[in-house]
Amino acid sequence: AIRMTQSPSSLSASTGDRVTITCRASQGISSYLAWYQQKPGKAPKLLIYAASTLQSGVPSRFSGSGSGTDFTLTISCLQSEDFATYYCQQYYSYPRTFGQGTKLEIK
Amino acid sequence: QVQLQESGPGLVKPSQTLSLTCTVSGGSISSGDYYWSWIRQPPGKGLEWIGYIYYSGSTYYNPSLKSRVTISVDTSKNQFSLKLSSVTAADTAVYYCAREATGGTKYFQHWGQGTLVTVSS
Repeated sequence: AIRMTQSPSSLSASTGDRVTITCRASQGISSYLAWYQQKPGKAPKLLIYAASTLQSGVPSRFSGSGSGTDFTLTISCLQSEDFATYYCQQYYSYPRTFGQGTKLEIK
Repeated sequence: QVQLQESGPGLVKPSQTLSLTCTVSGGSISSGDYYWSWIRQPPGKGLEWIGYIYYSGSTYYNPSLKSRVTISVDTSKNQFSLKLSSVTAADTAVYYCAREATGGTKYFQHWGQGTLVTVSS
């Protein structure tokens, strides 16, 4: 199985900050990577697919980049509603695997 | 807009079989365009993909759970189901059903709200 490793595991930031979360795959996955946002008690919500394509309705302050094994999710100007846990997921091969999550907290 | 809804017992005893059903509305499970998956999340932990089923009945399971998992489909009811046998406390989790396209867009765009299953005597 492809192992997905996110860093950092947690991150403290303030409203208006720019933050970047990194996801590394244990082998090349081309651009078959998705990012999800999860808030407490809720199902994950798709933010980005194909490494850099914004899902419809997702604010443009979210962006993704990367290919192969290294990927990033950037939030350009944090809003209060962005404080949540973020997961990357590869869909290059089965079994589908997720990163361990990055919890974004208010500083 | 497609919606998925999990249902089933919230409490299962150790060594017994966990059984959940996902009901799909707003779209046909038989469309052939999607795989129907189960994903779980232990309390305070990350996401683990369990497996998928296609409307035809073909399945793929996570090797880590394969010996204990069965996923089935009932196209007449627009439902698919999960059975996980010989459960232990480690199987306590929120269980989600989700839809994945069969084409290039193979990410999980639609999820159920999730249902917590606790394994305890």
